[in-house]
Parts: sequence; C-alpha cells; structure tokens
Amino acid sequence: DGGITQSPKYLFRKEGQNVTLSCEQNLNHDAMYWYRQDPGQGLRLIYYSQIVNDFQKGDIAEGYSVSREKKESFPLTVTSAQKNPTAFYLCASSKWAYNEQFFGPGTRLTVL
Amino acid sequence: KNEVEQSPQNLTAQEGEFITINCSYSVGISALHWLQQHPGGGIVSLFMLSSGKKKHGRLIATINIQEKHSSLHITASHPRDSAVYICAVGVDNNNDMRFGAGTRLTVKP
Repeated sequence: DGGITQSPKYLFRKEGQNVTLSCEQNLNHDAMYWYRQDPGQGLRLIYYSQIVNDFQKGDIAEGYSVSREKKESFPLTVTSAQKNPTAFYLCASSKWAYNEQFFGPGTRLTVL
Repeated sequence: KNEVEQSPQNLTAQEGEFITINCSYSVGISALHWLQQHPGGGIVSLFMLSSGKKKHGRLIATINIQEKHSSLHITASHPRDSAVYICAVGVDNNNDMRFGAGTRLTVKP
C-alpha cells in the first residue's frame, strides 16, 4: 500500500535535547512538507522540499532543521533552540509543489 | 486578520441534519482544499477545487472565486462525520499554503 508514515506517534524529550522526527513516503512524490499544529491554530509550515537535496524555510523555521537526501525521506530535527517545541507535527507530500497533499498520521512531541 | 477564516469554530448537530461549514479567504489562490482531521490527528484530503462545485458521496464543496468564499456541506450527517474540518488555500504566485484554524464538528446520534 502506498502512503506516508511518521514515527513515532508520541515522543517525549527533556528540555535542551535535540530530537528527530521521521517521515517516509512511498508515493513517488517529489514534494514534502513539515507542518506544526497548535490548539486553536491553523497548520503552519516549518520547511518544505520540492526535490531531493533541496529545501526551503517555511513561516516558522527557527529552531528546526531538515534534510532531503532521499526522495522518500524528509526527517525533521527539533533543536534545543526551538523555544516552544511541544506540539503536533504533521508531514505531508505531493506529486508536485503544492498540488494535492497527502498527510501522515502525525507525531505528538512533548518536551518536559 | 488571518488570511483564511472559517466559521463556525465549533458545530454540534443531530444525526441526519444538513451541515454547512464556511471558509473565507483574503488572498489570490490557485486552489482551495478541504481537509478532514480525525480525533487521532490524521488528516485526509476531501476536495481540491478552483471553481464551481464538487460532490463526493454525502459531501459537497462549492467555491465562489469572486466572493473569495467556499462552503463544505454534509448531507444526512452521521456520528462518524465528527471531526475537525480544515480549509486551506494554495496562494497564487508563490505556491504557498495557508490554513484555517478548523471547524470542530460533533454529530450526536
């Protein structure tokens, strides 16, 4: 089955630690995205990648980093510089940039 | 002011009722998306439209480009329709996406 997966579903980290969230897709999509969702707010774009080895900052990139070494994978690192990292993180992919997007199940990160 | 506004924020209905969720936007768009987010957090794309009307089962989405407004209708609502419905727009000229805050729908049996 084709789809987009994120792991883990729940993640707990101590303040000051970096943490990497996984996102994998087997849809052969060129574009991939990371969003952050906070209660009562719309999704906000952290980073996106339109092609392998290339990515751009979204609206709230500070304190985050990404890599796109393979077409299938777009991991997101939440660094200790992110002031308020506790949130729900969603990964998405699309055939082309900002075509219809397919979303992963999300990772809920809690920083203690 | 947010570029994408949804109303209502919360909506409770009885099973069988006709539901309407509204979305207004203030930017030029290439397309408008309606998404459904289930309680577990997963998001499913329901519609992508740039004009007119689309129908899928009991769901109908309409868009009026001149008025910068879209509606999502659910006919014969069912408790399994309970979810958060999100309106999102692809911003014209820069391929950016903007999301509404969502409408939380609860359908009671």
